[in-house]
Amino acid sequence: QVQLVQSGAEVKKPGASVKLSCKASGYTFSTYYMHWVRQAPGQGLEWMGIINPSGGSTSYAQKFQGRVTMTRDTSTSTVYMELSSLRSEDTAVYYCARPRSGSYYVDFDYWGQGTLVTVSS
Amino acid sequence: QSVLTQPPSVSAAPGQKVTISCSGNSSNIGNNYVSWYQQLPGTAPKLLIYDNNKRPSGIPDRFSGSKSGTSATLGITGLQTGDEADYYCGTWDSSLSAGVFGGGTKLTVL
Repeated sequence: QVQLVQSGAEVKKPGASVKLSCKASGYTFSTYYMHWVRQAPGQGLEWMGIINPSGGSTSYAQKFQGRVTMTRDTSTSTVYMELSSLRSEDTAVYYCARPRSGSYYVDFDYWGQGTLVTVSS
Repeated sequence: QSVLTQPPSVSAAPGQKVTISCSGNSSNIGNNYVSWYQQLPGTAPKLLIYDNNKRPSGIPDRFSGSKSGTSATLGITGLQTGDEADYYCGTWDSSLSAGVFGGGTKLTVL
């Protein structure tokens, strides 16, 4: 069965960076893009970006350009999302999500359990 | 401010029907498939509808989706207390080259 298992909660100070992981299993890793979506406390869903595990190409939301980096390790079927220059507004639950269609479509049939990132001095 | 516009809240009695609207433009809803998600408190969103009107395996036919022009609608019939949740629409925006979501709609089953 398909599973996306994310790394544990993080507490960071403003200005620091955080790197989250999402380990995929139960399907062929390289054939499905992976998206990252975040949700601030009490707020809605916010799309951050996408990575193609096959070639490593990425596309990021303009809001996060210059601050986010998505990478993958095909040997462990894991994708990573690093967010730098953290500020309090980055406090959120971060999800990795697999699109049902396999590509850039926002049709996520599998989600990780979420990773809470808290940014506080 | 979300790219897609949803009503903040809707409510209806058990057994009744409710619809949730999602409005966008030609760059997003008008030319791309729409998906709908249900999010219960403290859990990850769950895919209810994809490709505008298709249901994943296991989603009851009480849930339906439709799209017309630059708007989409989620319908829920035979409301149950367990349907109380936040509902989000999502799609790809070809101009932004980004995924976009609505701000979410909180469903209350009175």
